[in-house]
Amino acid sequence: AQSVSQHNHHVILSEAASLELGCNYSYGGTVNLFWYVQYPGQHLQLLLKYFSGDPLVKGIKGFEAEFIKSKFSFNLRKPSVQWSDTAEYFCAVNAACTASKLTFGTGTRLQVTL
Amino acid sequence: KAGVTQTPRYLIKTRGQQVTLSCSPISGHRSVSWYQQTPGQGLQFLFEYFSETQRNKGNFPGRFSGRQFSNSRSEMNVSTLELGDSALYLCASSLDTGAQETQYFGPGTRLLVL
Repeated sequence: AQSVSQHNHHVILSEAASLELGCNYSYGGTVNLFWYVQYPGQHLQLLLKYFSGDPLVKGIKGFEAEFIKSKFSFNLRKPSVQWSDTAEYFCAVNAACTASKLTFGTGTRLQVTL
Repeated sequence: KAGVTQTPRYLIKTRGQQVTLSCSPISGHRSVSWYQQTPGQGLQFLFEYFSETQRNKGNFPGRFSGRQFSNSRSEMNVSTLELGDSALYLCASSLDTGAQETQYFGPGTRLLVL
């Protein structure tokens, strides 16, 4: 069975600071990787996804993530955060053979201060 | 295109009762998955339905069940409610195109068990 670790539980940044949220997964087979975001009072939204190909993927709102297979990592980055990025961020993985079953990390709460 | 819709949005029940939650997937999506979100356990996969059949199942007791109708709409039922069932129940739908699936989430049903 796969598992996902998000080591940063709560991150506080000032506007314009750079962001990197860690995500590591455990699974021996082919995986698909996702970052979802949950803004206060809103539903889970897809930020970006990796299936195959270029390990650097770009998503919405200036976010990007890099898949490093040797490190089983899929870290999320943004060069300059905005106050509106305050939200909870979830890394998720599914095995290609059970693509409908997502395993989520515990989430990272990002607070951006003005 | 309308997103995933879930009804009701909020529910209050008492221990021992049962509850039914409903989910309408994005038009054309044939797979529906259910997740439970709690502060302590995070997001956990309950089960997935495709073509009116349960295709994948998480590690939840038999009190949690579901079904899918021919129009892909899905319902989830929890019988003999316990206090620990208080959670946000999320439904997600996907096209089911194979190994590379992206799930899109609804706003959830917040269930409070008293």
